[in-house]
Amino acid sequence: EPEVTQTPSHQVTQMGQEVILRCVPISNHLYFYWYRQILGQKVEFLVSFYNNEISEKSEIFDDQFSVERPDGSNFTLKIRSTKLEDSAMYFCASSPTSGPRNEQFFGPGTRLTVL
Amino acid sequence: AQKITQTQPGMFVQEKEAVTLDCTYDTSDPSYGLFWYKQPSSGEMIFLIYQGSYDQQNATEGRYSLNFQKARKSANLVISASQLGDSAMYFCAMREGTGNQFYFGTGTSLTVIP
Repeated sequence: EPEVTQTPSHQVTQMGQEVILRCVPISNHLYFYWYRQILGQKVEFLVSFYNNEISEKSEIFDDQFSVERPDGSNFTLKIRSTKLEDSAMYFCASSPTSGPRNEQFFGPGTRLTVL
Repeated sequence: AQKITQTQPGMFVQEKEAVTLDCTYDTSDPSYGLFWYKQPSSGEMIFLIYQGSYDQQNATEGRYSLNFQKARKSANLVISASQLGDSAMYFCAMREGTGNQFYFGTGTSLTVIP
């Protein structure tokens, strides 16, 4: 069964460094998403991406963040100048279409630790 | 106001018993979808069940069923015949209209006792 994959599973970085989190969505899906989950808290929406552009973003997704689909398979989240509070689990998700009915398929997550 | 409210931070259930996990939601959009996800200790998010706002019947998927009470804006998850492997965090989520994002609740930690 097709699944969303994410690399790395765990990333440790120093405060102020840039990190890139990578995701490979399910191949025939058109909508891509990033969420984050700070330890012990709820999952929070960051951004959605469709047709090579951001379609929706939350207040969390400020200028520190950017997303890109550099080729036909990868979907990346870049965090510039990481802060301690960026430590969280980052989930990538994809869905075939938009609309309330469509399930989002989540990847296994990347745990980011900022020291 | 919170879009999704889960009032039970932790629940315990005896193996083979049924358990209900509560979820209430808040939206003014007549079209929305409600989802439940399971997050085991390994961290991944596993889709369990979906209920659409216009669906006439409560959703069921194997041992999972959704008690959808539209007037009360509640979408409780019922797990029948609990198994030890059901021990996990459970998140209720909502998607509105044509919006893209999921709104998640704070989750309920379920522990199944042998």
